[in-house]
Amino acid sequence: QSALTQPRSVSGSPGQSVTISCTGTSSDVGGYNYVSWYQQHPGKAPKLMIYDVSKRPSGVPDRFSGSKSGNTASLTISGLQAEDEADYYCCSYAGSYTFDVFGGGTKLTVL
Amino acid sequence: QVQLQESGPGLVKPSQTLSLTCTVSGGSISSGSYYWSWIRQPAGKGLEWIGRIYTSGSTNYNPSLKSRVTISVDTSKNQFSLKLSSVTAADTAVYYCASSPLRYAFDIWGQGTMVTVSS
Repeated sequence: QSALTQPRSVSGSPGQSVTISCTGTSSDVGGYNYVSWYQQHPGKAPKLMIYDVSKRPSGVPDRFSGSKSGNTASLTISGLQAEDEADYYCCSYAGSYTFDVFGGGTKLTVL
Repeated sequence: QVQLQESGPGLVKPSQTLSLTCTVSGGSISSGSYYWSWIRQPAGKGLEWIGRIYTSGSTNYNPSLKSRVTISVDTSKNQFSLKLSSVTAADTAVYYCASSPLRYAFDIWGQGTMVTVSS
């Protein structure tokens, strides 16, 4: 069982927007602004899409955005494209004992 | 641009020690301030953070693995390494090395290496 809870799957049509949630506790997501999101295509290494809740690394399209409210972080992908179909994982810093915890992952299907 | 490459045995016997190395290219492991991390992923499952080492040499480990994990740096070879002792079949996974410039995220990833624990 993962420390952070994500929906197992979400789907959307090209051009639409989808939001993936990541629910933790006040000891991780709610306690720090250190949530990151990763995209993983089959057989590939994960790719950083969002860090520090809402910051995008250079090269990541602005269709990807992150936010947080209380103990739940969210990744929103707008203007869905076929290449966005992948698994998405959230991760949060959880203090100086547990350090980093991941969510169980969400499979995004572009219909 | 820094690149990472994992290497090590693909098959380890139960109760033995898993040893992997991550070679850093395109930059020096001892320059600047970075976190150098290990993360694993069992087949068909999610990601699990194993631990990290700072450029200074200090380490942080996943509490569930802490008693079995050692991460170290070899600046002369521009590498950092993972040792996981007393392995069982539950340690079978793709192991990734990753790095980040002193933030709680994993910016750069290696391609991953599959390790199977079996007799």
